[in-house]
Amino acid sequence: ETGVTQTPRHLVMGMTNKKSLKCEQHLGHNAMYWYKQSAKKPLELMFVYSLEERVENNSVPSRFSPECPNSSHLFLHLHTLQPEDSALYLCASSQDQRGGTYEQYFGPGTRLTVT
Amino acid sequence: AQKVTQAQTEISVVEKEDVTLDCVYETRDTTYYLFWYKQPPSGELVFLIRRNSFDEQNEISGRYSWNFQKSTSSFNFTITASQVVDSAVYFCALADSNYQLIWGAGTKLIIKP
Repeated sequence: ETGVTQTPRHLVMGMTNKKSLKCEQHLGHNAMYWYKQSAKKPLELMFVYSLEERVENNSVPSRFSPECPNSSHLFLHLHTLQPEDSALYLCASSQDQRGGTYEQYFGPGTRLTVT
Repeated sequence: AQKVTQAQTEISVVEKEDVTLDCVYETRDTTYYLFWYKQPPSGELVFLIRRNSFDEQNEISGRYSWNFQKSTSSFNFTITASQVVDSAVYFCALADSNYQLIWGAGTKLIIKP
């Protein structure tokens, strides 16, 4: 595997379900990100992890819970979601969140539909 | 306040035409970074270029070129001799002093054969 991978690519869940999104980066980066992309809206940064510590949480509802067990893996745990949470969830990584190289490399995303 | 504006929501051109995508930014920082990303229909955002605020040299990479003008706070992207494979949504972004990316709304580019 190369780059940034995300699973699953598509997910349909009911509002009472619990599911998790997984992201893995194979680039040796130290920072990882979760973004939400809704139709006709700019990308919304949800969470940032640098060296496995959360450094940013942009007022995301508690029904989204991130986990970063190591610098290569990032999870987004979902529970009791709302239909408006349906969106494309993108994971990204970069060499360093606080300095050095800033460009982020993205995975293909998980298309989430909440019914 | 930091802000990125991509005023063109959608552009449609015929293949082989040149097309320019506009990006205007606002920042109070003297050191900042600007980016362009491409998002094809598959969904994955692809990094195209990073430019820092001290380097106003224009960049050319094949059919792609970027024009950075600090005087007008613009970082425009031109595709020369467009191809159908260039069809995508293109995003401009600004890295602020906390190194968080502030994204424009994106421009959907349609290249017709």
